[in-house]
Amino acid sequence: SQKIEQNSEALNIQEGKTATLTCNYTNYSPAYLQWYRQDPGRGPVFLLLIRENEKEKRKERLKVTFDTTLKQSLFHITASQPADSATYLCALDAGGTSYGKLTFGQGTILTVHP
Amino acid sequence: EAQVTQNPRYLITVTGKKLTVTCSQNMNHEYMSWYRQDPGLGLRQIYYSMNVEVTDKGDVPEGYKVSRKEKRNFPLILESPSPNQTSLYFCASSPLRQGSYEQYFGPGTRLTVT
Repeated sequence: SQKIEQNSEALNIQEGKTATLTCNYTNYSPAYLQWYRQDPGRGPVFLLLIRENEKEKRKERLKVTFDTTLKQSLFHITASQPADSATYLCALDAGGTSYGKLTFGQGTILTVHP
Repeated sequence: EAQVTQNPRYLITVTGKKLTVTCSQNMNHEYMSWYRQDPGLGLRQIYYSMNVEVTDKGDVPEGYKVSRKEKRNFPLILESPSPNQTSLYFCASSPLRQGSYEQYFGPGTRLTVT
């Protein structure tokens, strides 16, 4: 069956360091993968999308990589700040005849300590 | 302001009393979706709609109904709510067919079924 795993339930880092979050998947052939940020009690907010034919995408301090051979995406926040503390979710579209059917990982709670 | 709105934001009801949670978006998005979020289970898709009059089941459709009669609205109907439907519900929309896939989430509806 299709499965998405975000390896770390929680990640604690010091301010200024790079946070690296992992999203692994099995039995998917996704056309794209998305990353979202969610603050407590609020809806997720879209951050980045990377397509299957892209290796890397950047946006300001954020970087996403996508390795379809390893079936893995890495999400990096460089020069992290306490304001980056939140839950980060990856999401995949099932593709094919189930295009539009989205599955989210369980999320990684990132805490950046001053 | 471009947004997804949900009503009500909070609802406490009793088992078996039919209820509707409304969702509306003002961005002319083709795609809309409902999710529920539970501790330990993450964000799970209930139903999604690729366009007017087109709806499909997500991962957890049991006990829910949806309709998409107009592009902007996508109500979630619980015909006979049960306590296991106590959850935080999110509606989302996306300009999926315009080549852009990010989802815009509403503020959430916290439902308690006693």
